[in-house]
Amino acid sequence: GENVEQHPSTLSVQEGDSAVIKCTYSDSASNYFPWYKQELGKRPQLIIDIRSNVGEKKDQRIAVTLNKTAKHFSLHITETQPEDSAVYFCAASSSNYKLTFGKGTLLTVNP
Amino acid sequence: NAGVTQTPKFRVLKTGQSMTLLCAQDMNHEYMYWYRQDPGMGLRLIHYSVGEGTTAKGEVPDGYNVSRLKKQNFLLGLESAAPSQTSVYFCASTAGGYNEQFFGPGTRLTVL
Repeated sequence: GENVEQHPSTLSVQEGDSAVIKCTYSDSASNYFPWYKQELGKRPQLIIDIRSNVGEKKDQRIAVTLNKTAKHFSLHITETQPEDSAVYFCAASSSNYKLTFGKGTLLTVNP
Repeated sequence: NAGVTQTPKFRVLKTGQSMTLLCAQDMNHEYMYWYRQDPGMGLRLIHYSVGEGTTAKGEVPDGYNVSRLKKQNFLLGLESAAPSQTSVYFCASTAGGYNEQFFGPGTRLTVL
């Protein structure tokens, strides 16, 4: 089955800096890569996703890049704010209904 | 719309007791999922359903059973709870394809 590795497990940045979280996947058939944000005590919520026919996608301060050859994808957050502090999960799907999640990255944005 | 709801929100069980977690969605989604979340382990898929009357095993199915008798409900059962099942359980649903999985608020279960 699919295996998703996520790094780093924790990331601390100063407000205004950029944050990058990286994930690798094992199944070359995977073609959908969403990112979820989970605030403390809350449910995970989708923040951005990318499909395998696209190399990069942006939504305001967040962007995701995908390298199919290397089987890795990354989340980029620019101009970080304290409200960006949360756990971020990457995921990959090789079917159209099942996701495999990474273990998560705890992002702390220091004011 | 309520989205995805879960009951109960919290529960404490003794080893060997049984319980059922209920997930309900009002978005007419075909696909529903049960995950468990443990510190440092991410979200791991327990069981899932691709439609009313269907269920399938996920990554960590042992010790759990599920049923999808109605399209809007997905039940997760623990027949004989063990301390290793102490976790936060999330239900999710999606319309399928490359659509967002919507999560419920979670159930925090402690097995003593």
